[in-house]
Amino acid sequence: AQSVTQLDSQVPVFEEAPVELRCNYSSSVSVYLFWYVQYPNQGLQLLLKYLSGSTLVKGINGFEAEFNKSQTSFHLRKPSVHISDTAEYFCAVKITNRDDKIIFGKGTRLHILP
Amino acid sequence: DVKVTQSSRYLVKRTGEKVFLECVQDMDHENMFWYRQDPGLGLRLIYFSYDVKMKEKGDIPEGYSVSREKKERFSLILESASTNQTSMYLCASSPGLAGFYNEQFFGPGTRLTVL
Repeated sequence: AQSVTQLDSQVPVFEEAPVELRCNYSSSVSVYLFWYVQYPNQGLQLLLKYLSGSTLVKGINGFEAEFNKSQTSFHLRKPSVHISDTAEYFCAVKITNRDDKIIFGKGTRLHILP
Repeated sequence: DVKVTQSSRYLVKRTGEKVFLECVQDMDHENMFWYRQDPGLGLRLIYFSYDVKMKEKGDIPEGYSVSREKKERFSLILESASTNQTSMYLCASSPGLAGFYNEQFFGPGTRLTVL
């Protein structure tokens, strides 16, 4: 069965510094990969997704992620964070040719320090 | 834009009460989902539905039931609320297997407190 591991539960970073949120998955078959963001007191919204093709995926708000099949990773990056990026970030995986359940990681809370 | 709405943002109920959480989506999506979100545990799937009157158990269905009488509406029912069901409940929808992207669209959540 597939699973998703987000290696850090919390990540503090200074404003305007770069950030990387780590995500590893386990699956023996091909997958789709997603990053969702949850701002305080809101539902989740899609940040970016990898379906196929280029392994570097660009999303909203300046975020990008790189799919690394050999390392089964899908790390999220932003070169310069802003206070408005304070949120919880969820990595998720879905088997490509199976039912529509998506497996979510436990989340990484990003704290932006002034 | 896809819109998923949930009937309440905040709800306070007493132990033993029957609780209904309603979710409506306006994009004609086949699939609908109910999750609960707890600190340190992420999102856990309670139930999902691929079609009207169809339902499938997720990872933590105990103590919950669901109803999908119309395509756009998916209800979560707590038959007899207990304090360990205090949580944030998130509803989501997605297009079916014929859909291209399979991403899920989420509602704003209902924060339920059971006293």
